[in-house]
Amino acid sequence: DAKTTQPPSMDCAEGRAANLPCNHSTISGNEYVYWYRQIHSQGPQYIIHGLKNNETNEMASLIITEDRKSSTLILPHATLRDTAVYYCIVRGSGAGSYQLTFGKGTKLSVIP
Amino acid sequence: NAGVTQTPKFQVLKTGQSMTLQCAQDMNHEYMSWYRQDPGMGLRLIHYSVGAGITDQGEVPNGYNVSRSTTEDFPLRLLSAAPSQTSVYFCASSRGTADQPQHFGDGTRLSIL
Repeated sequence: DAKTTQPPSMDCAEGRAANLPCNHSTISGNEYVYWYRQIHSQGPQYIIHGLKNNETNEMASLIITEDRKSSTLILPHATLRDTAVYYCIVRGSGAGSYQLTFGKGTKLSVIP
Repeated sequence: NAGVTQTPKFQVLKTGQSMTLQCAQDMNHEYMSWYRQDPGMGLRLIHYSVGAGITDQGEVPNGYNVSRSTTEDFPLRLLSAAPSQTSVYFCASSRGTADQPQHFGDGTRLSIL
């Protein structure tokens, strides 16, 4: 699976949009981009995933560049409860693709 | 709908003791896995299973055993606990394709003295 690069930390004002970037320049055509977050020491929470197209659900939007080498997770109106570590993960579809490789993620702090 | 349930939530063991961490899911997911998370680090895969009767090793399998006799359950056994196994353990499950997200339990916090 391709490696991802994320900034170690970011701040966001409460009520504003939080834009979390992720670099995955070695991604291949059949690999998905997944986003999870971990609040305190709870279990990772699935947020969103995509292959090529932009995706939106009730939690967030995922913007994937046309060349698929980077993506941005957007939390449209950040709240204090969105303070967490956010992980961008590239996951393949072949044998052995079940493993999620967690890096150190981005620690997002939402500030009142 | 309970999702992924892990028991116990906390456990303290002495070096050399054995124990089993339980994981159960009620979503009829084929794939289940165990991760450990050490302070300040991401999760690392210990063992996984793609279906009943099938298990395989992940990144850090030493000192742990697993079995998958049913679709619902995937217990993790520590044969002889060591202080290096002090960690938070997470179980996850998903359908068996890459476009299906994995769902995680709330974790078991294990301390080995």
